[in-house]
Amino acid sequence: AQRVTQPEKLLSVFKGAPVELKCNYSYSGSPELFWYVQYSRQRLQLLLRHISRESIKGFTADLNKGETSFHLKKPFAQEEDSAMYYCALSYQGAQKLVFGQGTRLTINP
Amino acid sequence: DVKVTQSSRYLVKRTGEKVFLECVQDMDHENMFWYRQDPGLGLRLIYFSYDVKMKEKGDIPEGYSVSREKKERFSLILESASTNQTSMYLCASSLGGRGNTIYFGEGSWLTVV
Repeated sequence: AQRVTQPEKLLSVFKGAPVELKCNYSYSGSPELFWYVQYSRQRLQLLLRHISRESIKGFTADLNKGETSFHLKKPFAQEEDSAMYYCALSYQGAQKLVFGQGTRLTINP
Repeated sequence: DVKVTQSSRYLVKRTGEKVFLECVQDMDHENMFWYRQDPGLGLRLIYFSYDVKMKEKGDIPEGYSVSREKKERFSLILESASTNQTSMYLCASSLGGRGNTIYFGEGSWLTVV
């Protein structure tokens, strides 16, 4: 079965430090991977998707099929990055997403 | 801007009550979803609908049912609420086709006492 694992429930870094949120998936075919973010008192929203290969709010994520990973990275964290982050996978033939357990990121001043 | 609206933000219900959670989207999306969000468990799919009157069970359908009589509206029904159904419920919608962006509502926080 398809599965997404985010090993860190909580992650705390200082402002200006690099941040990496880990995501691993299990799927034998060609997945599509996404990162969704939920800021305090806001709805869950798409942050980025791997097929776009874009940087959003300074975040990037590279799909590593060999390691079945899709880690989210930002070189210099900002306080406004504090939020709940979910990694998600869309697999062939499906129009729905499988989500990881989520990582709560806190940026300390 | 896509708008997914969940009519009830906060509800308190008694064990055994029948509960309706309503969701409306305004972008003519084919797909609609109900997820349950719990700390440490992430989002788990309850039910999914890809067309009017069509539905598909998700990962945790037990104790829930859904109704989609119109394209824009997707209702989640708890036939007999139980305390373990206390949770945040998220409705979402997307265009048909694999990998399209899913847009979420603000959520309905249900407490069953």
